[in-house]
Amino acid sequence: GAVVSQHPSWVICKSGTSVKIECRSLDFQATTMFWYRQFPKQSLMLMATSNEGSKATYEQGVEKDKFLINHASLTLSTLTVTSAHPEDSSFYICSARAFLGTSGSRETQYFGPGTRLLVL
Amino acid sequence: ILNVEQSPQSLHVQEGDSTNFTCSFPSSNFYALHWYRWETAKSPEALFVMTLNGDEKKKGRISATLNTKEGYSYLYIKGSQPEDSATYLCASYSGGGADGLTFGKGTHLIIQP
Repeated sequence: GAVVSQHPSWVICKSGTSVKIECRSLDFQATTMFWYRQFPKQSLMLMATSNEGSKATYEQGVEKDKFLINHASLTLSTLTVTSAHPEDSSFYICSARAFLGTSGSRETQYFGPGTRLLVL
Repeated sequence: ILNVEQSPQSLHVQEGDSTNFTCSFPSSNFYALHWYRWETAKSPEALFVMTLNGDEKKKGRISATLNTKEGYSYLYIKGSQPEDSATYLCASYSGGGADGLTFGKGTHLIIQP
């Protein structure tokens, strides 16, 4: 159980275009979903937290107008990289959790397989 | 901002040998520590969530311990097998207004037959 899918796994796009990444919890309801990114030789870095039906909470330094997050249902969250530029090239990965709020941080987060984005 | 450190960065172990590696984290305001196993092109697999000082958890040949007072956790693998080859990540709850995890860079484990 607790499977999270992510689509697409790879995307190459031209500079200035927008890219949408989907994250789905397949067998549980994800009250909270997280988006992380990883640059080469770096750790996974939290970008934003989204609770179903609420606006996402972004980490410092992450532009909310550039990285649009929608969590409209309990099984789907999307991340849209708007007007992508080469510096946005990275590995993006989502995770999902069935619990709300800080008490849920003692619960497991289930990860998708990630999306590698290359902006030319 | 939390600083989660893992060592070593990479590790080569002979098949059949046991091994261990370390995750260190700030001990103040500790909430939870998560361990994941991540194989290339797959989703990170949750291994353990550890919350109490002195916790010891086991899953098959893999076990982990937690010391929240000094801020470290050890992951042990007994009798390493080639399928244990992966990157092992630890992560701590970020705290403050954030609800996500702060990850270390991982320990890349290679089991040599």
